[in-house]
Amino acid sequence: DVKVTQSSRYLVKRTGEKVFLECVQDMDHENMFWYRQDPGLGLRLIYFSYDVKMKEKGDIPEGYSVSREKKERFSLILESASTNQTSMYLCASTYSPGGYTFGSGTRLTVV
Amino acid sequence: QQQVKQSPQSLIVQKGGISIINCAYENTAFDYFPWYQQFPGKGPALLIAIRPDVSEKKEGRFTISFNKSAKQFSLHIMDSQPGDSATYFCAASIGLGTGSNQFYFGTGTSLTVIP
Repeated sequence: DVKVTQSSRYLVKRTGEKVFLECVQDMDHENMFWYRQDPGLGLRLIYFSYDVKMKEKGDIPEGYSVSREKKERFSLILESASTNQTSMYLCASTYSPGGYTFGSGTRLTVV
Repeated sequence: QQQVKQSPQSLIVQKGGISIINCAYENTAFDYFPWYQQFPGKGPALLIAIRPDVSEKKEGRFTISFNKSAKQFSLHIMDSQPGDSATYFCAASIGLGTGSNQFYFGTGTSLTVIP
């Protein structure tokens, strides 16, 4: 069974901390994405990557960065966590032009 | 700016009834329209999808109706069951020219099916 695995289900971090969210896929997909999910706002794209070491900004990249050193791993970095970054974060991967496979999500709380 | 508008925000249906969720879009370059189903504590999972050259697609109890001229598409769940209770997202995608597609999601519909 194909998988997208997010390393943490729940995280609690303090304001100003540097936060790393990890995502690993085992499907050899080129394309990987980070979304955040908020009630009433749906899923909003933060960053995506279509190849190793390649990254593109999505709709809401401010306050975030990403790293893709290996094809199977795509990391989301919150440089200095703030309370407005409290959210559910979803990683997805896809082969073009197919649909996404999502991870189970990481619920991040910034206090 | 919401690229894909979804309604209703929540929906309560009796067991055996028909659940209908609607979505609308503006960008005529969208070329793939999936629906995702999300259960609590899980990531969204692809349920059914359609391309704009087809007006309807049916998979079991789930049907997508697509109206290209109106730029609208909808999900119909026939004979709704309590196990269908979940959040449903519509989406539309566009090619990025990099071999990838970018997906735009609706805001989600929370469906509750009452036994």
